[in-house]
Amino acid sequence: DTGVSQDPRHKITKRGQNVTFRCDPISEHNRLYWYRQTLGQGPEFLTYFQNEAQLEKSRLLSDRFSAERPKGSFSTLEIQRTEQGDSAMYLCASSTDSLEQYFGPGTRLTVT
Amino acid sequence: GEDVEQSLFLSVREGDSSVINCTYTDSSSTYLYWYKQEPGAGLQLLTYIFSNMDMKQDQRLTVLLNKKDKHLSLRIADTQTGDSAIYFCAEGPADKLIFGTGTRLQVFP
Repeated sequence: DTGVSQDPRHKITKRGQNVTFRCDPISEHNRLYWYRQTLGQGPEFLTYFQNEAQLEKSRLLSDRFSAERPKGSFSTLEIQRTEQGDSAMYLCASSTDSLEQYFGPGTRLTVT
Repeated sequence: GEDVEQSLFLSVREGDSSVINCTYTDSSSTYLYWYKQEPGAGLQLLTYIFSNMDMKQDQRLTVLLNKKDKHLSLRIADTQTGDSAIYFCAEGPADKLIFGTGTRLQVFP
């Protein structure tokens, strides 16, 4: 197993553009999580899925953010009309039993 | 409210023990975690402890939990240069982790 993968690793976009990130969890992990990490801070929880169901969303997840996991495997996180404040590292994690979350390398977003 | 606090920086000599501290506020937390993040990488789970435990040892790592004071610590014995990283504590429930700001550990020879 190669672990959690995320694509792309880096994304530079202009303010106002839409971006989409992908996360592939570890095979057979039914739980998938998204976090956001800004410079000098710890990760902040955004949302999580159990299989294809999105069970919880943070108040940090504004209307411009949407996450999907249509077949219960990979997940996408889309940010519409990006703002400079969206610049951050977006981390994905997966788990089987909710006790141990395994993180991917992250997607670093820079909004210019 | 929920808040997890850590000191920002710790510097130790190679071979010494490191102790990284964390305080949390949510008394209902059921699990407490330690993660390691190396530059440009994601987070690596080091260990976790249930809130009804006082101590957990795993090779060079020892976790101590003082539930009364809401204080968690991570001791790394025989610290090596490869231990240089940022260490995050986090409190659960496990499906919604709240992370601290991280402690940067620097190990010098």
